[in-house]
Amino acid sequence: NAGVTQTPKFRILKIGQSMTLQCTQDMNHNYMYWYRQDPGMGLKLIYYSVGAGITDKGEVPNGYNVSRSTTEDFPLRLELAAPSQTSVYFCASRPTGSNQPQHFGDGTRLSIL
Amino acid sequence: GDSVTQMEGPVTLSEEAFLTINCTYTATGYPSLFWYVQYPGEGLQLLLKATKADDKGSNKGFEATYRKETTSFHLEKGSVQVSDSAVYFCALNRVTGGGNKLTFGTGTQLKVEL
Repeated sequence: NAGVTQTPKFRILKIGQSMTLQCTQDMNHNYMYWYRQDPGMGLKLIYYSVGAGITDKGEVPNGYNVSRSTTEDFPLRLELAAPSQTSVYFCASRPTGSNQPQHFGDGTRLSIL
Repeated sequence: GDSVTQMEGPVTLSEEAFLTINCTYTATGYPSLFWYVQYPGEGLQLLLKATKADDKGSNKGFEATYRKETTSFHLEKGSVQVSDSAVYFCALNRVTGGGNKLTFGTGTQLKVEL
């Protein structure tokens, strides 16, 4: 059971480039989340999804887009990379149920130069 | 809005020392409280949770009690090991119409030395 898988693990982008961070889970969880983790700042929610075809903004959605065409996949898109988007990105999923914990992937470390 | 405050790190301890990492929160109602642990190069893993006041969560020798009167959820372990070196995050979980919302503290790095 792989859990939550994120690819790539590391990436360096130039300013203005675009890329997609991939996230897939094999636990049949309805809820999925994208966070960014900046040093000393904890995790901030970018976008989340409560099921296939449904997405919504979190605290810091500007500069990002998501889609949820299947239960398993929840890719995060950066259209015009900016230095402020240098961060570690985590994808998470959780099953239905009010106090079910989120399961996290190992993260993608992204640098924008 | 909801917020979580953790003690700043790094916390450096000798093996077998007693550990306390303080966590306090600000929230209305009755959120659940979680502790997550992040080992180097990995994602966050749930360590323990408590869903209502006076609940005690425990796992791997760690424990934390949900104290509504002091709005706290301090993490404790009686005897730490080198393998406990990691970053620990306190988080508040609120059930919303659009799915649970987790509010994280800034994390506390623990270093355990021989």
